[in-house]
Amino acid sequence: QKEVEQDPGPLSVPEGAIVSLNCTYSNSAFQYFMWYRQYSRKGPELLMYTYSSGNKEDGRFTAQVDKSSKYISLFIRDSQPSDSATYLCAMVDNFGNEKLTFGTGTRLTIIP
Amino acid sequence: KAGVTQTPRYLIKTRGQQVTLSCSPISGHRSVSWYQQTPGQGLQFLFEYFSETQRNKGNFPGRFSGRQFSNSRSEMNVSTLELGDSALYLCASSSRTDYNEQFFGPGTRLTVL
Repeated sequence: QKEVEQDPGPLSVPEGAIVSLNCTYSNSAFQYFMWYRQYSRKGPELLMYTYSSGNKEDGRFTAQVDKSSKYISLFIRDSQPSDSATYLCAMVDNFGNEKLTFGTGTRLTIIP
Repeated sequence: KAGVTQTPRYLIKTRGQQVTLSCSPISGHRSVSWYQQTPGQGLQFLFEYFSETQRNKGNFPGRFSGRQFSNSRSEMNVSTLELGDSALYLCASSSRTDYNEQFFGPGTRLTVL
């Protein structure tokens, strides 16, 4: 069993819809949680970074962490065609550790 | 500020050969990490170098190795290539001071025939 599980999709939603992306994890040592976005033929870029449990909002994006359930989510409001990409969750156990553990990614398409 | 650059962008090799990939980090970044990305396994951590020293290593066989130079540029080498080594190899750099934020390059697409 992988340490981080992520539904690979693909996920297609109409423009303007709310998108919910999720990951579950098994390693309770994970404390820092990230969401990356990867466009085709590009490297991943960091979208959101959260520490421990709670919510964090940045524009149309909200990251949510529930450590008791070992479950993290990314919500995208008012989705745009430019949001079409693969979304990867990543996590790490402590601040000084550069070894990120990634989910396999969810491919998202926003239909105009 | 220029981003992370990786060369070459595409590479085709045959089984048994070896390959060297190069990564130039963002100016001022001293940490370079390497990841292998495949459709089935996603991104998997290979190793991290900081100030020319390997700081961390993932669960890959010894055929995968790397090094870092005094200017922070890094290379990774894969010897005795296998078909399963076909993947996108991503390099990421960080300053190691800013909440683990890693900046990724565009990757090198390696195809092993």
